[in-house]
Amino acid sequence: QKEVEQNSGPLSVPEGAIASLNCTYSDRGSQSFFWYRQYSGKSPELIMFIYSNGDKEDGRFTAQLNKASQYVSLLIRDSQPSDSATYLCAVNNNNDMRFGAGTRLTVKP
Amino acid sequence: DAGITQSPRYKITETGRQVTLMCHQTWSHSYMFWYRQDLGHGLRLIYYSAAADITDKGEVPDGYVVSRSKTENFPLTLESATRSQTSVYFCASTAGNDEQYFGPGTRLTVT
Repeated sequence: QKEVEQNSGPLSVPEGAIASLNCTYSDRGSQSFFWYRQYSGKSPELIMFIYSNGDKEDGRFTAQLNKASQYVSLLIRDSQPSDSATYLCAVNNNNDMRFGAGTRLTVKP
Repeated sequence: DAGITQSPRYKITETGRQVTLMCHQTWSHSYMFWYRQDLGHGLRLIYYSAAADITDKGEVPDGYVVSRSKTENFPLTLESATRSQTSVYFCASTAGNDEQYFGPGTRLTVT
């Protein structure tokens, strides 16, 4: 069974803080890794993707991948109330995309 | 407008009826996908298509049928709807670089 696990939260951080979201996966053949943001009642929106071990930064977002530990994380720096959403981790192996159930993040002003 | 659209956005149907959800994309993406999203399960892949006339099963294909006669369209049919198919259905597409972009979703209720 190919599984993607995320802490469901809710994760609450104050405005301006760093939010850290974590994800583990079971399929060692996974090749690409994604973070989606989903606002309530809306569709998932791609915010980061990473293919290689290490860090990838894009603005306030940093994705981290450790294939040996089967671990993906997302850091959001200078968190804003508009970052309040559910964050979905997704792991892809030859178009077999598996999603975690998501972590709900609340950023308090 | 360019992008990916789904219709209808909301649908209520009765158990046993056939219902078709439509997905249309204007990017000419090769790959298209259908997911369902349920509380506690996250997004689960139903079917995907790598190109016109090429489809393949995902994680939860039972009770669903797909076709892809044109690159831009990927309809999903529930042949005989059941209450367990009440869900939010998302269509997605990608050019083949793995980065999937989602449509707005269809909220389906089976009574």
